[in-house]
Amino acid sequence: DAGVIQSPRHEVTEMGQEVTLRCKPISGHNSLFWYRQTMMRGLELLIYFNNNVPIDDSGMPEDRFSAKMPNASFSTLKIQPSEPRDSAVYFCASSPQGQPQHFGDGTRLSIL
Amino acid sequence: AQSVTQPDIHITVSEGASLELRCNYSYGATPYLFWYVQSPGQGLQLLLKYFSGDTLVQGIKGFEAEFKRSQSSFNLRKPSVHWSDAAEYFCAVADLTNAGKSTFGDGTTLTVKP
Repeated sequence: DAGVIQSPRHEVTEMGQEVTLRCKPISGHNSLFWYRQTMMRGLELLIYFNNNVPIDDSGMPEDRFSAKMPNASFSTLKIQPSEPRDSAVYFCASSPQGQPQHFGDGTRLSIL
Repeated sequence: AQSVTQPDIHITVSEGASLELRCNYSYGATPYLFWYVQSPGQGLQLLLKYFSGDTLVQGIKGFEAEFKRSQSSFNLRKPSVHWSDAAEYFCAVADLTNAGKSTFGDGTTLTVKP
């Protein structure tokens, strides 16, 4: 079975550039979660969707961050403009209703 | 609000020794509890889950966890640790009334000595 697919796996870009992270959840999963992981702050929930609708974006750090889920099989997390402090590993996870989350392998983002 | 505490940031055990990782939770209703493992460069992988029923649950890779409501704990155990178990371990509690939003502990890093 294909798991949660994230792309790119690694992204290095200069500050001020727009960054777009992509996620394909597992087919049939109706909840999707975006997390950020750093050494200093651990694993942080940024935003989550249920049936393609954003439920809670209170974890999004700033207006520079935005997320969309145009359909059940695709979601994006965008940072515009990016800053060095956004450097982290970003994870996408999906789950069926009421079941554990399945995580992707993450996107390692470095902002220079 | 729900919360999870993993009191041990880092644990070191010898290969072949037993392991217990502690997890305490706070949740207003019947908790749905999970343990995940994260190897370097990878995402979190589910080890086991507790929803209801038998309070001792078995997971993958020889792990088990015991739910103790009176202690608000869900400790992870393994009788004999292998070097490949070195990783970071996360305990989580899920709010299934809220799209399954999970609250994660800060994680425990396990080092295995040869």
